[in-house]
Amino acid sequence: DQQVKQNSPSLSVQEGRISILNCDYTNSMFDYFLWYKKYPAEGPTFLISISSIKDKNEDGRFTVFLNKSAKHLSLHIVPSQPGDSAVYFCAATGSGAGSYQLTFGKGTKLSVIP
Amino acid sequence: NAGVTQTPKFRILKIGQSMTLQCTQDMNHNYMYWYRQDPGMGLKLIYYSVGAGITDKGEVPNGYNVSRSTTEDFPLRLELAAPSQTSVYFCASSSVAGGLGEQYFGPGTRLTVT
Repeated sequence: DQQVKQNSPSLSVQEGRISILNCDYTNSMFDYFLWYKKYPAEGPTFLISISSIKDKNEDGRFTVFLNKSAKHLSLHIVPSQPGDSAVYFCAATGSGAGSYQLTFGKGTKLSVIP
Repeated sequence: NAGVTQTPKFRILKIGQSMTLQCTQDMNHNYMYWYRQDPGMGLKLIYYSVGAGITDKGEVPNGYNVSRSTTEDFPLRLELAAPSQTSVYFCASSSVAGGLGEQYFGPGTRLTVT
């Protein structure tokens, strides 16, 4: 039973346009959410996170939006660049017991076309 | 500062063989983790450690063992390898618990069991 779902396996976007990656979760105990980026043959690298007390967090070209009532979050990349082409994983955790465990989605492969 | 290093990068095992995947971090992080990533899937936590001498099971611990005798090292032992353990294994470390802070990942070990 997937607790973190990324329903789009892949996404193609033109360079300079906005990329929107979506993530849904089912566990109401999750209150901290993260996005990781992964290039082939490398380990994931942290991109951005958001706590459930916020609905938006921004870091340069990357913005994460959280809609707690819908149990949905999204990552916006503006403007998209070819170097953003990678697999993006959404991950979630609770802040209480079990906060050692990150639950990951299956990932979305983003291709930014020059 | 090398971050998180993993050896080997690739390994082919025969069914029933054993091996140890090595992981070392030089960031003086208390928290360390082992994940596996199967094709088309997200990362799943195998074991984690909150400090030297303290380890605990994650989501998918069966068939694996870990030890943490030093802050720097967190080896993962596979006993009696099975085809179901064919996967890419990532080691990670962090300065704060679980998902509440950035986890730093190694480059991974690609293991095939035939």
